[in-house]
Amino acid sequence: GAVVSQHPSWVICKSGTSVKIECRSLDFQATTMFWYRQFPKQSLMLMATSNEGSKATYEQGVEKDKFLINHASLTLSTLTVTSAHPEDSSFYICSVETSGSNGELFFGEGSRLTVL
Amino acid sequence: KNEVEQSPQNLTAQEGEFITINCSYSVGISALHWLQQHPGGGIVSLFMLSSGKKKHGRLIATINIQEKHSSLHITASHPRDSAVYICAATVDKLVFGAGTILRVKS
Repeated sequence: GAVVSQHPSWVICKSGTSVKIECRSLDFQATTMFWYRQFPKQSLMLMATSNEGSKATYEQGVEKDKFLINHASLTLSTLTVTSAHPEDSSFYICSVETSGSNGELFFGEGSRLTVL
Repeated sequence: KNEVEQSPQNLTAQEGEFITINCSYSVGISALHWLQQHPGGGIVSLFMLSSGKKKHGRLIATINIQEKHSSLHITASHPRDSAVYICAATVDKLVFGAGTILRVKS
């Protein structure tokens, strides 16, 4: 199966700064990666689908200029939270899905963002 | 109403008990996933189902396509099974249930 690594696992930043989160697929070439957000005691919500070499597809209500996604290679997608505010504090997690009829999901470890 | 509903929301069991977590969905799906989220946040995929039943160790997952219902069973539960269990349906994207918080006491 695929191994997905996320970095950093936690980050604390001041309001107004930008934070970059990396998602690496270590042993699987992922043309597509998914970014999710999870607020405390809530379920995962898909934010966007990251597509290698092209623009990300954002879910309704997710600001593309606020959450910049770059998927420059088959093994790396980055999510940048720009001008972060306290309401952006959340758990961000990425995943890949292997292809084929038995497509499996593999998740990164997640990144906990706290904006002061 | 969420497209994917899970029950129960919280579950406390004694070590050794048989546990069932239920998931119902209201839309057509291509697959149903069962996920386990540990206290630190990490998520592991347990099963991907499109029909029938799958078993892995003490875990069993079933799905009834006609009834739009899936169950996750844990036999001989153990405190290390304590986690949040999430079902997720593949529609045009993954739609997640709210999760079931399981605590197994020794």
